Amino acid sequence: EAQVTQNPRYLITVTGKKLTVTCSQNMNHEYMSWYRQDPGLGLRQIYYSMNVEVTDKGDVPEGYKVSRKEKRNFPLILESPSPNQTSLYFCASSPDGSGYTFGSGTRLTVV
Amino acid sequence: QKEVEQDPGPLSVPEGAIVSLNCTYSNSAFQYFMWYRQYSRKGPELLMYTYSSGNKEDGRFTAQVDKSSKYISLFIRDSQPSDSATYLCAMTPLGWGKFQFGAGTQVVVTP
Repeated sequence: EAQVTQNPRYLITVTGKKLTVTCSQNMNHEYMSWYRQDPGLGLRQIYYSMNVEVTDKGDVPEGYKVSRKEKRNFPLILESPSPNQTSLYFCASSPDGSGYTFGSGTRLTVV
Repeated sequence: QKEVEQDPGPLSVPEGAIVSLNCTYSNSAFQYFMWYRQYSRKGPELLMYTYSSGNKEDGRFTAQVDKSSKYISLFIRDSQPSDSATYLCAMTPLGWGKFQFGAGTQVVVTP
């Protein structure tokens, strides 16, 4: 089944403890992206990648890192999480930068 | 001011009615326009996409783009309770991978 898989689905962590949210797609898509979704603010793009080793900032990149070493994987790294990064995170992929296919989401709580 | 504006609703309609949703935007560089549907606790799923101005129909769904007015619409005919969800518009300069989403409109279709 064609899909975007992100893990974990739920995560509670403490301020300052580094964490990684993994994302993998099996559709051989060129583009991948990370979003966060907050009530009243909608979906905001954190980072996106057009190809292996090519990434660019979205609208809210502060406090996040990404890497694209393989085409299928695009992990999101929070080096020092803070409570304002508590959110619902979505990974997505696209064949050509047009419509994205989204994963099921990761609900992150930073206390 | 946000680049993409969308009324958050909720929009409540009786079963069988036409649902009318819209977004306005300010960036004239946007060329590719999409509508996503998001059920509670799920990732967004792509419903329709349109390149540049014009209409596109897919079953009960019709998407319209008016670039001169910077206005896009989604119409859902013969609405069903299963159409109850949040609908998000999204747009991008074609092929860049960088998207802007509206905040989403919550739709409730009552039997």
